[in-house]
Amino acid sequence: AQSVTQPDIHITVSEGASLELRCNYSYGATPYLFWYVQSPGQGLQLLLKYFSGDTLVQGIKGFEAEFKRSQSSFNLRKPSVHWSDAAEYFCAVVPNSGYSTLTFGKGTMLLVSP
Amino acid sequence: DADVTQTPRNRITKTGKRIMLECSQTKGHDRMYWYRQDPGLGLRLIYYSFDVKDINKGEISDGYSVSRQAQAKFSLSLESAIPNQTALYFCATSDWDRGTQYFGPGTRLTVL
Repeated sequence: AQSVTQPDIHITVSEGASLELRCNYSYGATPYLFWYVQSPGQGLQLLLKYFSGDTLVQGIKGFEAEFKRSQSSFNLRKPSVHWSDAAEYFCAVVPNSGYSTLTFGKGTMLLVSP
Repeated sequence: DADVTQTPRNRITKTGKRIMLECSQTKGHDRMYWYRQDPGLGLRLIYYSFDVKDINKGEISDGYSVSRQAQAKFSLSLESAIPNQTALYFCATSDWDRGTQYFGPGTRLTVL
């Protein structure tokens, strides 16, 4: 079955440390890939997306993500985390064929320690 | 002004009551979506509409209905609310089915 997996429910990172959030998908062909962020009490905001081309994608707020076809992964990274990055992060995919809708992972909650 | 608005932002209701959540957008998008968010479950699609005359069930449509009154308006109804429909509800829009979705601020619904 098609699915999106975010294996980490919670991650705690020290302020200034690097961050990597994992996302794996299970689809027959490379889907379109997205990362969204949800700050407390807020809606979801798009961080970045991958449709095709360069497998390293730059997004807003200093985030980047790398698509690895061989691993069916689209991991989100940031070199230096700020306290304001504390939020919940969602990976989402939509199949690259036919009419289809977005499927979300269950999210990873990022906590930032001083 | 926000591109995607939802009303109300918070609602407490009782079991068996009918309730409507409303969504309006000024982005000019044809595609609109309703999701619910539960802790640990991420977002799950309830209904979606690709244009005014198109309504489709999502993953968890049982107990819900929708109405697309205009390109800019998409309402979600709970005909007879039950406690396990307590959740955070989001409306979203996009300009094509694989495009970026833009989310409203959410409606927190509590069914007692």
